[in-house]
Amino acid sequence: SQQGEEDPQALSIQEGENATMNCSYKTSINNLQWYRQNSGRGLVHLILIRSNEREKHSGRLRVTLDTSKKSSSLLITASRAADTASYFCATERDFGNEKLTFGTGTRLTIIP
Amino acid sequence: DAMVIQNPRYQVTQFGKPVTLSCSQTLNHNVMYWYQQKSSQAPKLLFHYYDKDFNNEADTPDNFQSRRPNTSFCFLDIRSPGLGDAAMYLCATSRIGGETQYFGPGTRLLVL
Repeated sequence: SQQGEEDPQALSIQEGENATMNCSYKTSINNLQWYRQNSGRGLVHLILIRSNEREKHSGRLRVTLDTSKKSSSLLITASRAADTASYFCATERDFGNEKLTFGTGTRLTIIP
Repeated sequence: DAMVIQNPRYQVTQFGKPVTLSCSQTLNHNVMYWYQQKSSQAPKLLFHYYDKDFNNEADTPDNFQSRRPNTSFCFLDIRSPGLGDAAMYLCATSRIGGETQYFGPGTRLLVL
């Protein structure tokens, strides 16, 4: 069964605003990752957070992980038109499992 | 630049006519994956190779087969495509224990 559910399914904001997307999952995990997918393209890895970490930053990205609630959030600050894409969370259940289970995705539109 | 390449980018086939999609990588990664992604849905893992070891997902239809003749190349064969097989097919790679997956641009399959 699908591991992750993302919320909201779609989000439209003005350029310069912050965007927050949430991901919930069902079982214990080794790590959680966020990927971006531009329309009609492959996925690009953004950031990985391990199960023993609570927060991680990379440039304008901030990811949090709450393993007690089995949830994660991705914050994109000072959004740009180029951030328009779909964002997926993905979980790796066990170290060395080599498999990811993807969430349903959030379609983010940045309005110039 | 090291990368994952998928050919063709667009493939049109007829109902029931076998089709092969190809993926190559210059990353020298041990693990290669094939995903199916239907419109506005999460990527769904079909199977993956852990070096030469083939790992099929339990719910992957028998209609889908794969070959990995060497480290660099991996093929997805759809023996008798149905209308429901129209989708984006994504190839990805990772190092063993590497956690992050690197995706190709995808092949969009249309079945007429």
